[in-house]
Amino acid sequence: GENVEQHPSTLSVQEGDSAVIKCTYSDSASNYFPWYKQELGKRPQLIIDIRSNVGEKKDQRIAVTLNKTAKHFSLHITETQPEDSAVYFCAPGSGGGYNKLIFGAGTRLAVHP
Amino acid sequence: GAVVSQHPSRVICKSGTSVKIECRSLDFQATTMFWYRQFPKQSLMLMATSNEGSKATYEQGVEKDKFLINHASLTLSTLTVTSAHPEDSSFYICSVPGVNEQFFGPGTRLTVL
Repeated sequence: GENVEQHPSTLSVQEGDSAVIKCTYSDSASNYFPWYKQELGKRPQLIIDIRSNVGEKKDQRIAVTLNKTAKHFSLHITETQPEDSAVYFCAPGSGGGYNKLIFGAGTRLAVHP
Repeated sequence: GAVVSQHPSRVICKSGTSVKIECRSLDFQATTMFWYRQFPKQSLMLMATSNEGSKATYEQGVEKDKFLINHASLTLSTLTVTSAHPEDSSFYICSVPGVNEQFFGPGTRLTVL
């Protein structure tokens, strides 16, 4: 089955700095690579995703890069703001997102004013 | 995107009782739904795949006789925690796969006394 590792487990940055979180997976059949943001007691919220025919995708301050050969993808947040503080999860899957997702252990991001 | 609801949002029960959690896809027909469990400060762990009109597929280590899943219609899946114990206390979340992403319910917090 899929083995997902996410690093770092915690990340503390100053407001305005950049943050990068990396996710490594094992299943070569994975073709859907989402990142979720979860606030305490809430459901996971999709913030960006990428599919295996694309190497990079950007949405304002958030970007995801994919290296399918090395089986890892990363979340990049620029110009961080205090409201970016949350837990972030990667959750690679197959079937373009229709099949089950296997979540990484999560990264707790703290952005300090 | 699809709207997914869960009921109840919170439930407290005594040890040994059974608890039923509903997951509804309000505007999207779902032949498949996924059930996750999340313990405090941990990741979402996939429990099972709920299949409309057939048996659920359970992940390794999840007791199918303890966590009963019924997917009787295209809009409703239920998870019943039988003979609940304090260690079953957790946040239970369902998701519905869409064309391009998965849609998560708001979660049900179960506390077993």
